[in-house]
Amino acid sequence: QLQLQESGPGLVKPSETLSLTCTVSGGSITSSSYYWGWIRQPPGKGLEWIGSIYNSGSTSFNPSLKSRVTMSVDTSKNQFSLRLRSVAATDTAVYYCGRPGPCGGDCYEYWGQGLLVTVSS
Amino acid sequence: QSALTQPASVSGSPGQSITISCAGTSSDVGAYDYVSWYQQHPGKAPRLLIFDVSDRPSGVSNRFSGSKSGNTASLTISGLQPEDEADYYCGSYTTTNTLVFGGGTKLTVL
Repeated sequence: QLQLQESGPGLVKPSETLSLTCTVSGGSITSSSYYWGWIRQPPGKGLEWIGSIYNSGSTSFNPSLKSRVTMSVDTSKNQFSLRLRSVAATDTAVYYCGRPGPCGGDCYEYWGQGLLVTVSS
Repeated sequence: QSALTQPASVSGSPGQSITISCAGTSSDVGAYDYVSWYQQHPGKAPRLLIFDVSDRPSGVSNRFSGSKSGNTASLTISGLQPEDEADYYCGSYTTTNTLVFGGGTKLTVL
């Protein structure tokens, strides 16, 4: 069974860079033809898709975050990562990593448990 | 991209059926049959209920069904059960190869 686990600091200072990693177990990040994604959810609010990355490095980002987001894949560690620059309090959220299922568009069937990241000095 | 529009809340009694709407545009919901629905209980990660408008992943009850007409998709839950009380989100693939979610709907089982 595919499992995903987010890791990274739970507290980031304003204007700094948020860096998270998603470790994939129960399957290889290169063995499937899926984009691996990041989704976030501010406290008490709805879901927001951040973006996704293919194991080749091809990416797609939410236009509202595109200027601040970088994603990468480390196939040797079976991990993919998110970097969000110049964070502000509005970036405080639970960050999820996920992988779509066998659907036509992105439909996230596999989710990590989520990691709360707070932006505060 | 703007979030898809969902009602903030819906409610129903056990055994009843409810429907949650998800309104988008011709650039997302109306463009492809790539609408998905998620259930989220407090403190938990979302769970995929419906994909590609009306398909269910293995293990999801057939009490959950999805449909679409034009730029609006719908999720219907039949035979409401207390454990169905949760937040529900729709999602749609877009013509710019991105994903957009709805604002979420809180379902209360009376």
